[in-house]
Amino acid sequence: EPEVTQTPSHQVTQMGQEVILRCVPISNHLYFYWYRQILGQKVEFLVSFYNNEISEKSEIFDDQFSVERPDGSNFTLKIRSTKLEDSAMYFCATSQGVYNSPLHFGNGTRLTVT
Amino acid sequence: GENVGLHLPTLSVQEGDNSIINCAYSNSASDYFIWYKQESGKGPQFIIDIRSNMDKRQGQRVTVLLNKTVKHLSLQIAATQPGDSAVYFCAESPSGGSQGNLIFGKGTKLSVKP
Repeated sequence: EPEVTQTPSHQVTQMGQEVILRCVPISNHLYFYWYRQILGQKVEFLVSFYNNEISEKSEIFDDQFSVERPDGSNFTLKIRSTKLEDSAMYFCATSQGVYNSPLHFGNGTRLTVT
Repeated sequence: GENVGLHLPTLSVQEGDNSIINCAYSNSASDYFIWYKQESGKGPQFIIDIRSNMDKRQGQRVTVLLNKTVKHLSLQIAATQPGDSAVYFCAESPSGGSQGNLIFGKGTKLSVKP
């Protein structure tokens, strides 16, 4: 079964540093998303991306966050200047784009900000 | 993803018994609902979905029931197996919301005793 692939599986960074999390979507999927799960909390929506632009973003997705699909395959989440509270699991998800088609999630990147 | 420290409701069942996991959703205008399974160290895995114009949907060993009157969703797992042990999340998609902006519930931890 096709999978969403995320790299790295674990990223440790110092506060204030930039990080880039990468995702390879399922090949025929058109909609891409980032979610995060802070330890001990719910899975939360960050941003949706379609046709090379952001469709919707949550309050969490402030100016420190950005997304892009630079080479038509990888879908990336960049955090410009990490804060301690950015420590979380970050999940990429993709869907075919048919209305109400299910999201398929990757196994996540654990980001630890020290 | 991990849910260490999250005070999750826990359901403990004997192998071979049926399991019922319940979820109360928040938005009466939500029109699409999904159940996800999350094993330790992995991303949410799609199990089954249901649209608001239905009240029951069956998959392989799983059934989802939707009661819009009381905003309640349940997941029934028949003949529960040790491999079913995981955290189960319901998610809702608000009507009119962007594709993929899912609101996740807190999750229920299912433990299957052999």
